Amino acid sequence: DAGVTQSPTHLIKTRGQQVTLRCSPKSGHDTVSWYQQALGQGPQFIFQYYEEEERQRGNFPDRFSGHQFPNYSSELNVNALLLGDSALYLCASSPENPAGELFGPGTRLTVL
Amino acid sequence: AQSVAQPEDQVNVAEGNPLTVKCTYSVSGNPYLFWYVQYPNRGLQFLLKYITGDNLVKGSYGFEAEFNKSQTSFHLKKPSALVSDSALYFCAVRLSGGSYIPTFGRGTSLIVHP
Repeated sequence: DAGVTQSPTHLIKTRGQQVTLRCSPKSGHDTVSWYQQALGQGPQFIFQYYEEEERQRGNFPDRFSGHQFPNYSSELNVNALLLGDSALYLCASSPENPAGELFGPGTRLTVL
Repeated sequence: AQSVAQPEDQVNVAEGNPLTVKCTYSVSGNPYLFWYVQYPNRGLQFLLKYITGDNLVKGSYGFEAEFNKSQTSFHLKKPSALVSDSALYFCAVRLSGGSYIPTFGRGTSLIVHP
């Protein structure tokens, strides 16, 4: 089992563009969370998906949206990119709460 | 609102010596507490968690943490540090029941000197 996988590894976009990041959870995990980790900071919770529904959302604007598919994989979409969206985006999966989450390697997004 | 404080940006320890990475939290209710480790250019790896029960929690790679409710602390410890333990450590808290939103600390860089 490859654990949690994310694609792409790195991404460079310009302001105003839109981006889609992808995540495949560990086999058997049905809950997927997304985090933004700015340089020198801890991860900040964006939202969590369970059974294809957004179950909880952090303090992020509507430009950040997501989706979970029937196979539990997930996408994070960010519209109208800002320079401040540059960060490492982490996906994490878990089989249940309150298990510790299993994190993927992340997608490094750079907005120019 | 919930919060996590990791008061030390960096902890330096000699190999073979015990290490402690500090974490205090604030939450309006009973907490679930977690420790994660992050190596350069990698995602976070789960080390251990406190949900309920014994205040001393044992986790991966010889790490342990002690939950202290009166001091609202959850310090990470290891009896004998290894150079390979050098990494960034994050403490996280979430409220038991209800909200699934965890709050992470800013991280503590652990440097173990040979």
